[in-house]
Amino acid sequence: TQLLEQSPQFLSIQEGENLTVYCNSSSVFSSLQWYRQEPGEGPVLLVTVVTGGEVKKLKRLTFQFGDARKDSSLHITAAQPGDTGLYLCAGDSGYSTLTFGKGTMLLVSP
Amino acid sequence: EADIYQTPRYLVIGTGKKITLECSQTMGHDKMYWYQQDPGMELHLIHYSYGVNSTEKGDLSSESTVSRIRTEHFPLTLESARPSHTSQYLCASRPTGTGNSPLHFGNGTRLTVT
Repeated sequence: TQLLEQSPQFLSIQEGENLTVYCNSSSVFSSLQWYRQEPGEGPVLLVTVVTGGEVKKLKRLTFQFGDARKDSSLHITAAQPGDTGLYLCAGDSGYSTLTFGKGTMLLVSP
Repeated sequence: EADIYQTPRYLVIGTGKKITLECSQTMGHDKMYWYQQDPGMELHLIHYSYGVNSTEKGDLSSESTVSRIRTEHFPLTLESARPSHTSQYLCASRPTGTGNSPLHFGNGTRLTVT
C-alpha cells in the first residue's frame, strides 16, 4: 500500500506570512498533484508536477517535485485570507486510483 | 463551471432508509470515483469504475453499492443508512489514457443520518 505523509496537518498563520506544506512518501510516483478544497466544495486541481526536480509557480504558490519523485512541497509567499482551505497532495503511480495525503488545513487570518 | 454534478447537495434521513446519491458528468470521462470525507479531513476511496459495466471497491470498507450503466452516470446506493454513514460524499472523474490527468470533483453530497 502506497502512503503519502502530509505535514503539517493544521496551520494557522497571519496574513503576509510564508509557509511550506510537505508531502512525503517511500514510493515513487509518475506525477504528483496538488488540490485545494474550500468548505462546501470539491477539491480543485492547483498543479501537476511530473519531472523529478521540477519547480512550478502559480502566482504566490511554488510547487516542487523531489528529484527521486517521492516527495513534494508547496510554498506560499505572503499568504492571504483567500488562501484559506484544505490543501491535498495526491500521487499518481499510473494505476486508476490516486493516493491522497491526509491534507493540510490552512487558516490565514487578516 | 461544473461539468460534474452531484445531487442532492444536502440530505437528512432516518436510520434504515435506502438512499441513492446521484453523480453525472458531461465530459465523457471513462473513470469515475466515489470518496467519503469528513469535514476538513482526508479522502477515503469507496468505489471506482473504469467504464461502463465496470465497478471496483476502494480502500474503505463500505456498505454501499454502485452501478455504471452509462458512461456519464455513477450513482451510489446505501441500502440501509446508519448514523455512521454521516459524512460528505464526493464524486470525481478523469479521462483514460491521457497520463497524469487530474480528477474533476463534484461539490459533494452532505449526508446526515439521524
